[in-house]
Amino acid sequence: SQQGEEDPQALSIQEGENATMNCSYKTSINNLQWYRQNSGRGLVHLILIRSNEREKHSGRLRVTLDTSKKSSSLLITASRAADTASYFCATDPLSYNTDKLIFGTGTRLQVFP
Amino acid sequence: DTAVSQTPKYLVTQMGNDKSIKCEQNLGHDTMYWYKQDSKKFLKIMFSYNNKELIINETVPNRFSPKSPDKAHLNLHINSLELGDSAVYFCASSQRNRPYEQYFGPGTRLTVT
Repeated sequence: SQQGEEDPQALSIQEGENATMNCSYKTSINNLQWYRQNSGRGLVHLILIRSNEREKHSGRLRVTLDTSKKSSSLLITASRAADTASYFCATDPLSYNTDKLIFGTGTRLQVFP
Repeated sequence: DTAVSQTPKYLVTQMGNDKSIKCEQNLGHDTMYWYKQDSKKFLKIMFSYNNKELIINETVPNRFSPKSPDKAHLNLHINSLELGDSAVYFCASSQRNRPYEQYFGPGTRLTVT
């Protein structure tokens, strides 16, 4: 299976704390992205990091990529209750010549006020 | 000003029936996708169309037939529904030259009884 894996599967924190989610994947990639899914809604694109980048920031989000370990992490700083959602990583495998994204299994984040 | 819309939002039907889900995007994108998300939140691509041409066709039963009347619409028709078809189906779209940045619809929750 090409499916990526994320850990933890579920994470509960208090508002103001930082949340860190990890993603591991199996094949070489062009890029990796993180998406958020609120309950009962579609996925929303958060941030993309290319295979030649090691770190990227967007507002309270910080993404790292380690291609040697085939892993990425998403850090949400100073979390808010509105950050409660499922977070998915998605990879664009190098070996594919189609527009196919491989999604991870997701991390359910619960932020308590 | 919904970017990617799907109808219906909920669909409850009996085994053996035929049903369709419609998707429309007003983003001017030329690539559209159908994904299936199972009860474990695993998201997997089913089909991808670019300018009405089928690009990706994953291992999906041929009971599932996508139809793209124009590049703003991608409908999914399912024949002879089975219990295992119960899932949330998401439509997404992207620019051809940015397939990694996909915009998702709100999803259609299909329940087959």
